[in-house]
Amino acid sequence: DSGVTQTPKHLITATGQRVTLRCSPRSGDLSVYWYQQSLDQGLQFLIHYYNGEERAKGNILERFSAQQFPDLHSELNLSSLELGDSALYFCASSGWPTGGIQETQYFGPGTRLLVL
Amino acid sequence: KNEVEQSPQNLTAQEGEFITINCSYSVGISALHWLQQHPGGGIVSLFMLSSGKKKHGRLIATINIQEKHSSLHITASHPRDSAVYICAVSSAAGNKLTFGGGTRVLVKP
Repeated sequence: DSGVTQTPKHLITATGQRVTLRCSPRSGDLSVYWYQQSLDQGLQFLIHYYNGEERAKGNILERFSAQQFPDLHSELNLSSLELGDSALYFCASSGWPTGGIQETQYFGPGTRLLVL
Repeated sequence: KNEVEQSPQNLTAQEGEFITINCSYSVGISALHWLQQHPGGGIVSLFMLSSGKKKHGRLIATINIQEKHSSLHITASHPRDSAVYICAVSSAAGNKLTFGGGTRVLVKP
């Protein structure tokens, strides 16, 4: 158990809908990262938050947005969903010493999203 | 050409064999990560390297910064080592993480 929790575990929705994925980092970790893993694209970095502020952006679509709240949990919002958004979405957290993207990351179990 | 290339894509070994997975990258990095993804989907960070060599149990990771190459070795492989091993690099600017395509390892008893 990495200490990172993600909800929900599974999500089935329809095209055009909007969903919110939630991540709680390990206790004390200030950084949260979001990743997408699809069959055809592999793992892709989406976005990194540190202590409530966006630190780095990867291949995140404009239809997707994220935020990190004062209690350090994070939410990834996916809107106007398309079939191609079906994927596993992971969050990870890191802490010592800088919470930077080069530090060891602890992954949550993932949310499996299926868009029909 | 992808920024991070792994080889082989697939590997089958007999229990007890020595396994090597390679990762080459073409950009400046601040660190290289080796991750393990089990058939159930969970991802575990195995190593984070910026130079030299690290060892944890039967796993050894090395990196050669000048040659932009890293290897992950599994000694005395066991069926429970069957998983996908993924190499990822953190950019030198610290603003991007790029993943290799993964190496699927199957260890037969």
